[in-house]
Amino acid sequence: AQSVTQLDSQVPVFEEAPVELRCNYSSSVSVYLFWYVQYPNQGLQLLLKYLSGSTLVKGINGFEAEFNKSQTSFHLRKPSVHISDTAEYFCAVSHNAGNMLTFGGGTRLMVKP
Amino acid sequence: ETGVTQSPTHLIKTRGQQVTLRCSSQSGHNTVSWYQQALGQGPQFIFQYYREEENGRGNFPPRFSGLQFPNYSSELNVNALELDDSALYLCASSETSGFTDTQYFGPGTRLTVL
Repeated sequence: AQSVTQLDSQVPVFEEAPVELRCNYSSSVSVYLFWYVQYPNQGLQLLLKYLSGSTLVKGINGFEAEFNKSQTSFHLRKPSVHISDTAEYFCAVSHNAGNMLTFGGGTRLMVKP
Repeated sequence: ETGVTQSPTHLIKTRGQQVTLRCSSQSGHNTVSWYQQALGQGPQFIFQYYREEENGRGNFPPRFSGLQFPNYSSELNVNALELDDSALYLCASSETSGFTDTQYFGPGTRLTVL
């Protein structure tokens, strides 16, 4: 079985400041890692994913994440946030049995002017 | 290219009733997955359909059932509704069920059970 822990339920940050949203996972098999964003009253949009290769993954809207196998982490970062980045962010994993996703509980990013 | 669509947008039911939610997959996608997202929580996997067959199931009771049609659209049926079934139900489609295939999500159906 696999699980995902997002350590921070809310992250307040000022506009143009850097941000890191933390994600840790546990699994007995190789996993594939994803970050999705959910804007109010909308579905989920894929930000980025790690399947293999370079551990630093770049996504849309200036976000990037780094896969760290030894620490079982996949933290999401952005060097300078905008008001429009205010949303709920979900980390998720799947494994090679298929693409069904196990999600973390989410982190609400609140960007303040 | 049309994305994933879901209907209805909102739904209110009473305890014990039955409900059917619908999902149209993105063009070219033969796999549909359903997730339940309770308020303030992350989505939980309900089940997945691949080419009209159930391809995987999460930890949900049998009163949650589904169908996939030849055009790869899908239905989620919930019988004997309980208050805890109140949630946002998300549908996602992908080209296949392979682990490299990204899931694309619809906007969801918000179900309220009174």
